[in-house]
Amino acid sequence: SYVMTQPPSESVAPGQTARITCGGNKIGSKSVHWYQQKAGQAPVLVVYDDSDRPSGIPERFSGSNSGNTATLIISRVEAGDEADYYCQVWDSSSDLPYVFGTGTKVTVL
Amino acid sequence: QVQLVQSGAEVKKPGSSVKVSCQASGGTFSSLDLNWVRQAPGQGLEWMGGVIPIFGAANYAQKFQGRVTITADESTSTAYMALSSLRSEDTAVYYCAIRPTSVNWFDPWGQGTLVTVSS
Repeated sequence: SYVMTQPPSESVAPGQTARITCGGNKIGSKSVHWYQQKAGQAPVLVVYDDSDRPSGIPERFSGSNSGNTATLIISRVEAGDEADYYCQVWDSSSDLPYVFGTGTKVTVL
Repeated sequence: QVQLVQSGAEVKKPGSSVKVSCQASGGTFSSLDLNWVRQAPGQGLEWMGGVIPIFGAANYAQKFQGRVTITADESTSTAYMALSSLRSEDTAVYYCAIRPTSVNWFDPWGQGTLVTVSS
C-alpha cells in the first residue's frame, strides 16, 4: 500500500508559521487532505484537495503539493492550533484505498 | 450538516466480538458513504472499510477481511461495525466518518468509541 511519512513533531512559536510535510512517492499526482486532531477528540478536516478549506476553517490554514512532498501551512499560529495533524490520500490501485500519514504533533511554544 | 453519534465504550475478552454503532442525523442516510477508521493508543489513523446503505455491500481493507462486518440499518439511520476474534492489538478508538459523494476525504466524524481488549 501507499506510504506517507510525516515528521513526528514540530514546534512553533505563537504568531509564527508552521509547515508540516507529508512525503510520498509522486504525491504531487494525488489529492492530499489534512486533518487536525486535538487531544481526546475526533479528527477534523482542515484542508482538502491539497489547498482548499472547508467552511468554518480559518484562512490561516492552507496547503501545497508538488513532487514527492505535500505541505500543510498554518500561518499566525495560535495556542489552539496545538494538535496532531494527519495527511490522507486515496490510492485507487491499492488494497488499502484510503491511506493516512504517520501524523505530526504540533506544539505551540 | 450530518451529525454522527457513536455507542459507548466497550471492554471485551480476547477471542470475543464487538459491535459498535454510529447513528446519523441531518442527512439522507441511504446515500451516505459511512466509513470506519480506527486509532490504537498513541498511534495513527487506519481505514477499515465502509458501506453505502442504498447499495448494501460493504468494502473492506484487506487487513480486516474476514474479521470485520460493516452494515447499515436504514430504519434507524445507524451503521454498525462488528469485529470478531478480538486480540489485544485491536484495542483502539473506533471512529465512523462520512465520505461525501464523489470526493475522497472524510467529514464529519463521530466522537469515537473506545474498545479495550483485555483478559
